[in-house]
Amino acid sequence: QSVLTQPPSASATPGQRVTISCFGSGSNVGGNTVNWYQHLPGTAPKLLIHSNYQRPSGVPGRFSGSKSGTSASLAISGLQSEDEADYYCASWDDSLKGLVFGGGTKLTVL
Amino acid sequence: EVQLLESGGGLVQPGRSLRLSCAASGFTFDYYALTWVRRAPGKGLEWVSSITSSGDDTYYADSVKDRFTVSRDISTHTLSLQMNSLRAEDTAVYYCAKGGLGGSSHLDSWGQGTLVTVSS
Repeated sequence: QSVLTQPPSASATPGQRVTISCFGSGSNVGGNTVNWYQHLPGTAPKLLIHSNYQRPSGVPGRFSGSKSGTSASLAISGLQSEDEADYYCASWDDSLKGLVFGGGTKLTVL
Repeated sequence: EVQLLESGGGLVQPGRSLRLSCAASGFTFDYYALTWVRRAPGKGLEWVSSITSSGDDTYYADSVKDRFTVSRDISTHTLSLQMNSLRAEDTAVYYCAKGGLGGSSHLDSWGQGTLVTVSS
């Protein structure tokens, strides 16, 4: 059972917009920044969004993040086939004194 | 360019030990915290351990506390993870990553990972 809660799966067709949610608590999402990672098994995970909504250099503008209270979300617009991957939210937890991840959302591009 | 290269994975019997290494380059090694994250087969990403930039403070997930020890060597720019009393549930790909400590931090660079298989 992960500390942060994400839907296990999401799907959409190319060109559509998809949103992935992440629910936490005051000791993590509510009090610290949220980051999003993209991972294809067998490859290095990739930072997509940091500090709730900031995009690192090289990440397309189709990816956006937001946070409100103890929840956060990742939105992907203009979905492309190469976006098919696992997506994870993560945040520092002040009570656990550690990094916590969501369980991951497997995105399927239909 | 930041590069993180893990090594040391392999097949090990339950109860035995293994030491992972991560060679870092392309950034000022002693400026950044470093982190180990793993992904078990069929599971999601799991934080394992982090170490401060100075190496003075270390943090561990409950699942590995008292069995794993993280360390860093400024002279060789290497991050290490000593894993003792290994269990089947430690089977995973282990990734090292730059950053990760504190409320406003993030893991901005990752290695390709090294596979650890714990089995008799």
